[in-house]
Amino acid sequence: DVVMTQSPLSLPVTLGQPASISCRSSQSLVYSDGNIYLNWFQQRPGQSPRRLIYKVSNRDSGVPDRFSGSGSGTDFTLKISRVEAEDVGVYYCMQGTHWPWTFGQGTKVEIK
Amino acid sequence: EVQLVESGGGLVQPGGSQKLSCAASGFTFSTNWMSWVRQAPGKGLEWVANINADGSGKRYVDSVKDRFIISRDNAKNSLYLLMSSLRAEDTAVYYCARISYQSAGTWGQGTLVTVSS
Repeated sequence: DVVMTQSPLSLPVTLGQPASISCRSSQSLVYSDGNIYLNWFQQRPGQSPRRLIYKVSNRDSGVPDRFSGSGSGTDFTLKISRVEAEDVGVYYCMQGTHWPWTFGQGTKVEIK
Repeated sequence: EVQLVESGGGLVQPGGSQKLSCAASGFTFSTNWMSWVRQAPGKGLEWVANINADGSGKRYVDSVKDRFIISRDNAKNSLYLLMSSLRAEDTAVYYCARISYQSAGTWGQGTLVTVSS
C-alpha cells in the first residue's frame, strides 16, 4: 500500500499568519491517465471531513482562496495564506492513484 | 443540495453482522461511483470500499475483504455496506462518500458502529 507521510503532525499557528503542511508519498502518484490524484481534506472538530483540494491544486467549490495546494511526483504541500479561527481542525492528504486509496496520519492545526 | 445520510450503526457483538445504509439525494446517484470510508474513535481515516456506478465493479481494502460487501440500489438512490464477522478493530464511524476525481467529493455525517461484548 502507498504510505502517505504528513509533517508536522501538530501545527500551532498565530491568527493571520501563514501555515504549511507537507505530505510525502512512498511512490509516485502519477496515474496512467497522466493525472496526479492527490487530495487534501479538512476535518473540523465534531464534523465530517470536507475536501478542500483535488488533483494537487484544484480548490473545491466554496473553499476560500487562502487555501492552496502544490507539488509533484511524491512531494506535496497544502498552504493556508492567513490562518483564520475557522481553520482549526485536522488536515489529511489522500492519494487516489493506487488501490487501496490511502490517507496521511493527519495534521492538527490549532491557534496559539 | 447534495446530501448523503447514513443509518444502521449501533452496538454489535464480535462475530456478528450489521448492515449500513446511505440515502443519497440532490444528484444523479446512478451515474456516480460511491464509497465507504471509516474512522476509528480518535484516529485517522481509512478507505474501506468502492463501487462503480452500475454496481458491477467493487474494490475493498484488504482488512475487510471477504467480510464486508458493498452494494447499491440505483432505483432507491441507496448505498449499502453489509459487514459480517465483525471484530473490535472494526469499531468506527462509517462515512458514505460520493466519488469524484478519484477521491471523496461529498461526505455524509457518518454512523457509528461499535463492536463489543
